[in-house]
Amino acid sequence: DGGITQSPKYLFRKEGQNVTLSCEQNLNHDAMYWYRQDPGQGLRLIYYSQIVNDFQKGDIAEGYSVSREKKESFPLTVTSAQKNPTAFYLCASSIGPGSGYGYTFGSGTRLTVV
Amino acid sequence: KQEVTQIPAALSVPEGENLVLNCSFTDSAIYNLQWFRQDPGKGLTSLLLIQSSQREQTSGRLNASLDKSSGRSTLYIAASQPGDSATYLCAVCQMRLSGSARQLTFGSGTQLTVLP
Repeated sequence: DGGITQSPKYLFRKEGQNVTLSCEQNLNHDAMYWYRQDPGQGLRLIYYSQIVNDFQKGDIAEGYSVSREKKESFPLTVTSAQKNPTAFYLCASSIGPGSGYGYTFGSGTRLTVV
Repeated sequence: KQEVTQIPAALSVPEGENLVLNCSFTDSAIYNLQWFRQDPGKGLTSLLLIQSSQREQTSGRLNASLDKSSGRSTLYIAASQPGDSATYLCAVCQMRLSGSARQLTFGSGTQLTVLP
């Protein structure tokens, strides 16, 4: 079955550590995204990539970094510069104009600072 | 800047009731509108996608309508079941980011509880 796989499901970060969240898709979608979800709030866009070797900042990119070396993969690194990283992180991909830019989401990674 | 509002924030109904969830958005220049379901601690599952040129979409007991000119969408759930309990999120696809990438703007969701 086609879909988006995020790992790990739960991640714990110590102060000052960088951690990397994995996102892999087998949908052959060009565009991929990272969103952050906080309790009681809507999802906010961190980074997105429209194509391999290209990525752009979203609304809340500070303290995060990404790479897009393969079409299938879009890992997110939460750096020590992100002061409030505890949140639920969702990876998504979208299909192109032929199918109306429909989005597919992964199952999420819950990151907690300890 | 696009703003998406969902009313009510929470809803509790007895099993078997028909119900309507509301979504409003401030900028009518959208590509599409998607309704998602989110179970606690899980990712988002796409329920229905309505293109800007469409008025409604149906899937099983779900029907979503779109009135782009007035900035409104409704999600109708027929004959609700306890398994429908979840948070329902409305998202509008509007801004072109670059290339084929498009940004979704989300509402804060409606938390639905269907009582047995």
